[in-house]
Amino acid sequence: GIQVEQSPPDLILQEGANSTLRCNFSDSVNNLQWFHQNPWGQLINLFYIPSGTKQNGRLSATTVATERYSLLYISSSQTTDSGVYFCAVERSGNQFYFGTGTSLTVIP
Amino acid sequence: DTAVSQTPKYLVTQMGNDKSIKCEQNLGHDTMYWYKQDSKKFLKIMFSYNNKELIINETVPNRFSPKSPDKAHLNLHINSLELGDSAVYFCASSYRGETQYFGPGTRLLVL
Repeated sequence: GIQVEQSPPDLILQEGANSTLRCNFSDSVNNLQWFHQNPWGQLINLFYIPSGTKQNGRLSATTVATERYSLLYISSSQTTDSGVYFCAVERSGNQFYFGTGTSLTVIP
Repeated sequence: DTAVSQTPKYLVTQMGNDKSIKCEQNLGHDTMYWYKQDSKKFLKIMFSYNNKELIINETVPNRFSPKSPDKAHLNLHINSLELGDSAVYFCASSYRGETQYFGPGTRLLVL
């Protein structure tokens, strides 16, 4: 399978700060998605972004498929942004491989 | 109006038992998935299924089997439960493999 690495593994931010999360993957992919798992365990899809840049409010994501990485930007962080952020990639056959996640804590 | 639902939310059972987890989606999606999340939060795909094809992750023991009675349901059957099966199991769905929507998860504890 594809290797998916995320960095940093842990991140603590003051409310209002900005951050960048990174996802590197070892092979070409057809599909890349970013998810947020909140402290109650619910997984929410943030972006479907196999290439290019997308923005949704304070969040944006960029995937450079040719260089095998994706970035998730969080601006003006809020305590509700706390949780674990995962990227997931798919090469073929609807088989998705998840990274190990970035655990984000936003403190007031 | 839950998009992807799972039952039960919690499941506590003895080693050796057989159990099932149900999953339903009302989004009209054509692909459904099962994932296992371990105690370290690592998510691993177990199965993906659309109307044409079931794809099984090769690392999944054959004690696990998905059953799809129709396009909106993909249930997970587990035979001869082992301690190592304790985890959170998530169902998800998507249309043509794009944005995935996850269910709330089923927390399985094998004693």
